Amino acid sequence: HVQLQESGPGVVKPSETLSLTCTVSGGSISGYFWSWIRQPPGKGLEWIGYVYHSGSGTYNPSLESRVTISADTSKSQLSLKLTSVTAADTAMYFCARGRQLSPWDYWGQGALVTVSS
Amino acid sequence: DIQLTQSPSSLSVSVGDRVTITCQASQDISNYLNWYQQKPGKAPKLLIYDASNLETGVPSRFSGGGSGTHFTFTISSLQPEDIATYYCQQYDNFPYTFGQGAKLEIK
Repeated sequence: HVQLQESGPGVVKPSETLSLTCTVSGGSISGYFWSWIRQPPGKGLEWIGYVYHSGSGTYNPSLESRVTISADTSKSQLSLKLTSVTAADTAMYFCARGRQLSPWDYWGQGALVTVSS
Repeated sequence: DIQLTQSPSSLSVSVGDRVTITCQASQDISNYLNWYQQKPGKAPKLLIYDASNLETGVPSRFSGGGSGTHFTFTISSLQPEDIATYYCQQYDNFPYTFGQGAKLEIK
């Protein structure tokens, strides 16, 4: 049974870099498309970007200048880095598996990141 | 970006009701549309993919339809565990986008 688990700091200071890891267990990350999606408190969902196990991927243009998503097949981990964060980046961050580019059939439980000094 | 507009945004429902939510796309997205259910404090759960295909393990009371710019999501007979927020999501074009959500509440 595939499981995804996000991990990382719960609080990040403004202007610093948000770093999260998604650890995949019960299955390989090879052959799938892995996305990060976020949800500000009480609001809707925003797709951040995806990475294929080979490392290729695409980002949301609204975040492209600040975001990097990567995959480490040896560790079965995905990572998300978001630079120069502001309060607007406060959100629950989810990693999710795509059978193709979409849909996303497995999700992590989410990691809440608050941007605050 | 492709805009997805869900209607209604909120709905008061009773157990046993037939519930229909619509999702209107700002341009033709063929059938590249999925539906997710999200309960408070939980990750979204895939229910319908490619507009009308029921995800494995999802009860048959859930269904989806439509193509192009107009899509529907239906719960044939609402159960208590169906109280949640439902989102449509397109993957015809990058960036992938979601509707604003449709929140079901018990009447």
